[in-house]
Amino acid sequence: DTAVSQTPKYLVTQMGNDKSIKCEQNLGHDTMYWYKQDSKKFLKIMFSYNNKELIINETVPNRFSPKSPDKAHLNLHINSLELGDSAVYFCASSPRTGVPGELFFGEGSRLTVL
Amino acid sequence: KQEVTQIPAALSVPEGENLVLNCSFTDSAIYNLQWFRQDPGKGLTSLLLIQSSQREQTSGRLNASLDKSSGRSTLYIAASQPGDSATYLCAVRSTDSWGKLQFGAGTQVVVTP
Repeated sequence: DTAVSQTPKYLVTQMGNDKSIKCEQNLGHDTMYWYKQDSKKFLKIMFSYNNKELIINETVPNRFSPKSPDKAHLNLHINSLELGDSAVYFCASSPRTGVPGELFFGEGSRLTVL
Repeated sequence: KQEVTQIPAALSVPEGENLVLNCSFTDSAIYNLQWFRQDPGKGLTSLLLIQSSQREQTSGRLNASLDKSSGRSTLYIAASQPGDSATYLCAVRSTDSWGKLQFGAGTQVVVTP
């Protein structure tokens, strides 16, 4: 009964390919996020959506495109993959009622670009 | 720009000792601060969330304090166990960036039996 689930958990692909990572949350939260954890384990936000609307868009190459078909889903599509895109990508969600609430994270999707 | 620092970067203690993990942040204008645990190859598990108006939060053996004016938070883990071995991350949410959680680099903890 996973709260925030991501698929796939592991992804190995060649440079230049296009890939997607899917995220779903069953917590009823309005806000969802994508974070990237690099090889040094540092976590940095990429995007945030609130009720299907983009509210945070950090300095991320436009090869990365988030898509939110509804407030329970936030997918990440990456075009023309590069070696430097290898990382663990985490999806998260939080409620949006008054003060920002607690963030809940998925298990992560490890992307390896060869 | 908010910066979050965690010291030490790594910590090893014998089982039964109390753990003290430190987190400092540069901008005191925050909504809240959240402590997470990350096991190798796993996602982040939320441990405690402290709102800016609170001084501390407790959950079982865990206690987190917040001194917003000095930009510091401390996570105490009482009577450590080998199962507490993990990386502990703190993250702050500044008032000028509603949804954005700024993370520290983490403290890697090893509790030896």
